[in-house]
Amino acid sequence: DTEVTQTPKHLVMGMTNKKSLKCEQHMGHRAMYWYKQKAKKPPELMFVYSYEKLSINESVPSRFSPECPNSSLLNLHLHALQPEDSALYLCASSPLLSQGMNTEAFFGQGTRLTVV
Amino acid sequence: DAKTTQPTSMDCAEGRAANLPCNHSTISGNEYVYWYRQIHSQGPQYIIHGLKNNETNEMASLIITEDRKSSTLILPHATLRDTAVYYCIVSRSKLIFGTGTLLAVQP
Repeated sequence: DTEVTQTPKHLVMGMTNKKSLKCEQHMGHRAMYWYKQKAKKPPELMFVYSYEKLSINESVPSRFSPECPNSSLLNLHLHALQPEDSALYLCASSPLLSQGMNTEAFFGQGTRLTVV
Repeated sequence: DAKTTQPTSMDCAEGRAANLPCNHSTISGNEYVYWYRQIHSQGPQYIIHGLKNNETNEMASLIITEDRKSSTLILPHATLRDTAVYYCIVSRSKLIFGTGTLLAVQP
């Protein structure tokens, strides 16, 4: 199984709602990532988890709250978002080699989020 | 992580080799060169990566210059399904995407 599964595929939420995006992988990868991608732009790194601990936060606003409950799951909790947060949210995972070196990362198909 | 420079777009005829260049003149000694692609409305897909030596797999070949300041991704026989944005990333750990090259394979 070389898949990263993201749910839901589409999400519409109001600015006062609380919602969560979910990501799951069963490849035994110990590094997991959240990216945000606006239309016609490259993916932007948001968070990196290594061994279930947050290792990188790319100065993401606190209305985005990541959580890694176990080595297979990664959540992104959303609260009080703005319309400009509408984007494709991508999850990825990769094996974690020595000294933090990256290798092949597997990406999910993303959750397309619309904030109204 | 070192920055990369790629052409905005390229065309390639179906069945011909597609050669996608990438400049990374500020690469440091322990940084790898990665290539990913993103087909419209899908998540990025890993293609290949390398440090110093040229690499080949079932998808592509990666040619890295001796000074490591540039590289070329080669798709040996491009098909219409290879139309995508191709990202060259230079990194030790974080995968930071640049603007990439939109490769359009023409019939």
